[in-house]
Amino acid sequence: GQNIDQPTEMTATEGAIVQINCTYQTSGFNGLFWYQQHAGEAPTFLSYNVLDGLEEKGRFSSFLSRSKGYSYLLLKELQMKDSASYLCAGLDSNYQLIWGAGTKLIIKP
Amino acid sequence: KAGVTQTPRYLIKTRGQQVTLSCSPISGHRSVSWYQQTPGQGLQFLFEYFSETQRNKGNFPGRFSGRQFSNSRSEMNVSTLELGDSALYLCASRESFGTSTDTQYFGPGTRLTVL
Repeated sequence: GQNIDQPTEMTATEGAIVQINCTYQTSGFNGLFWYQQHAGEAPTFLSYNVLDGLEEKGRFSSFLSRSKGYSYLLLKELQMKDSASYLCAGLDSNYQLIWGAGTKLIIKP
Repeated sequence: KAGVTQTPRYLIKTRGQQVTLSCSPISGHRSVSWYQQTPGQGLQFLFEYFSETQRNKGNFPGRFSGRQFSNSRSEMNVSTLELGDSALYLCASRESFGTSTDTQYFGPGTRLTVL
């Protein structure tokens, strides 16, 4: 089976750090993506992890553990503009993206 | 390079009508995927085309169809519209499969309202 799980909603405070988790079960695995989607807008690409480990891009970092079927997106120094949905997607053996339902992140002042 | 473009951006139709949405991928991208997104829902995969051939299809009724042209532009058609078809329809393109550049880039979407 193919399944991507992530929390429905999270709340964090401006200036803080938040970690959004994603677990996956796919028939074959070729990488994991994170996208950001503001309300009413299209998703925008954040990161793509193929190998285990942490990849950092400015305030955003993404981690992958293939053996555990687990990934997380870490957002540092949170800003109000980070309020958005964060979508996790796994690339299966047929190179098709399997999407999670998304995590709505609410940032409070 | 120009990004993924979709036309029209907004559309209002009535039940029973049919609609055609268009997507132009990023230059050089040969794969186009279509998604439906309703409020509060994740992305529901419709289908993917690569080099004019449908390579993957989601679990949508036959009223939803698509095609891809030789220039990689793609269209999707929904016939006999229902109220539940009201959604944001997103198109995404990617250059290739299974490489370090295997990343989907999304267009702005077409917001379809069925009355």
